[in-house]
Amino acid sequence: QLVLTQSPSVSASLGASVKLTCTLSSGHSTYTIAWHQQQPERGPRYLMTLNSDGSHTLGDGIPDRFSGSSSGTERYLTISSLRSEDEADYYCQTWRTGVVFGGGTKLTVL
Amino acid sequence: EVQLVESGGGVVRPGGSLRLSCAASGFTFDEYGMTWVRQAPGKGLEWVSGINWNGASTGYGDSVKGRFTISRDNARSSLYLQMNNLRAEDTAFYYCAALRSGNYLYAFDIWGQGTMVTVSS
Repeated sequence: QLVLTQSPSVSASLGASVKLTCTLSSGHSTYTIAWHQQQPERGPRYLMTLNSDGSHTLGDGIPDRFSGSSSGTERYLTISSLRSEDEADYYCQTWRTGVVFGGGTKLTVL
Repeated sequence: EVQLVESGGGVVRPGGSLRLSCAASGFTFDEYGMTWVRQAPGKGLEWVSGINWNGASTGYGDSVKGRFTISRDNARSSLYLQMNNLRAEDTAFYYCAALRSGNYLYAFDIWGQGTMVTVSS
């Protein structure tokens, strides 16, 4: 069964970097995922598509402070030079016969 | 400006029906796959349904299969979700999203701002 697992919450300081993790279920290490950001009281926003080899494509208008990387079944989203507006929920998404979302990670910027 | 605007949400009694609409602008609608995603209050995202660029292929999440129907009108650049036999657990914000790939099984490139559906007696 295709499942995405994310840590419920993470915190980091203003100006620092943070790395969020999305873990694919066993046997799905070749899957491509997408990362989405949801700021408080807003609809989600597409950030990037991330392949199993770590190559990634940023969405339109997404700054290069956002980057992605991969290792095995792990998919990472790194945000550098954290700003207050980066405080949001972050969801990973993948697909096979249907679409699957991770449970989301709430990022708090201190 | 690229935009998706949902409408049609509201309060409905259990067992009732509702039809959501999503109006697209700023991109070539008939080249994009489309999808509906929902979010219950305080919860995460859940995929509801998807449709490919020409309407020939559709898919549904297990929780809505047999009750919801997705459709599109490329001439009107619009996406629809017909929701029948609604249950309390269908209460959520409903978002439409567009996929550049043309399919509905890929990354969601464009999101709307959502419309709220409340199922309550």
